[in-house]
Amino acid sequence: RKEVEQDPGPFNVPEGATVAFNCTYSNSASQSFFWYRQDCRKEPKLLMSVYSSGNEDGRFTAQLNRASQYISLLIRDSKLSDSATYLCVVKSFNGNTPLVFGKGTRLSVIA
Amino acid sequence: GAGVSQSPSNKVTEKGKDVELRCDPISGHTALYWYRQSLGQGLEFLIYFQGNSAPDKSGLPSDRFSAERTGGSVSTLTIQRTQQEDSAVYLCASSSRTGLYEQYFGPGTRLTVT
Repeated sequence: RKEVEQDPGPFNVPEGATVAFNCTYSNSASQSFFWYRQDCRKEPKLLMSVYSSGNEDGRFTAQLNRASQYISLLIRDSKLSDSATYLCVVKSFNGNTPLVFGKGTRLSVIA
Repeated sequence: GAGVSQSPSNKVTEKGKDVELRCDPISGHTALYWYRQSLGQGLEFLIYFQGNSAPDKSGLPSDRFSAERTGGSVSTLTIQRTQQEDSAVYLCASSSRTGLYEQYFGPGTRLTVT
């Protein structure tokens, strides 16, 4: 089983739609969780960290379910500029250890 | 402030040649990471440096790959006797000790081995 798994998509949604991505991770010792965004031919950039209690940043909501070992990202009121690949990322230990990246879920928001 | 920078942005080389890729991390960041991303694939961890500790080389795919970090700052990734399967985007990231250890990526070096 891959350490981090995501549905590759693509998810094609109209502007204004709500879309949700899920991600599962296999290592129960994982400590920290993130969503990164990667635009085409660009480097990944941190979108948001995922806290145990769930957290929201504007139109974006991230949730963590440790018991089921999955993370979700909800995007409300999708914009054309949200079109990108969303990478689910986990870190197994505290400290500066490498992140483990999922292969990403591609989102296309259509006018 | 200045982000992570990498050079060159693009490199085309012939099979069998050696290449050096450079990364300048964010000033003050103690950790530096190298990843590579092949077309349509996820990020593959290669190596990471943390302060003065011995680097974690567990992700290097073969002994043709090596990296060093001089003075705790700039890093160079060297690929010897390049092969076509080495073609990928090589990404460098750095992070600090504080906060949630988020990693900041450079723009990458696109390596093409012909």
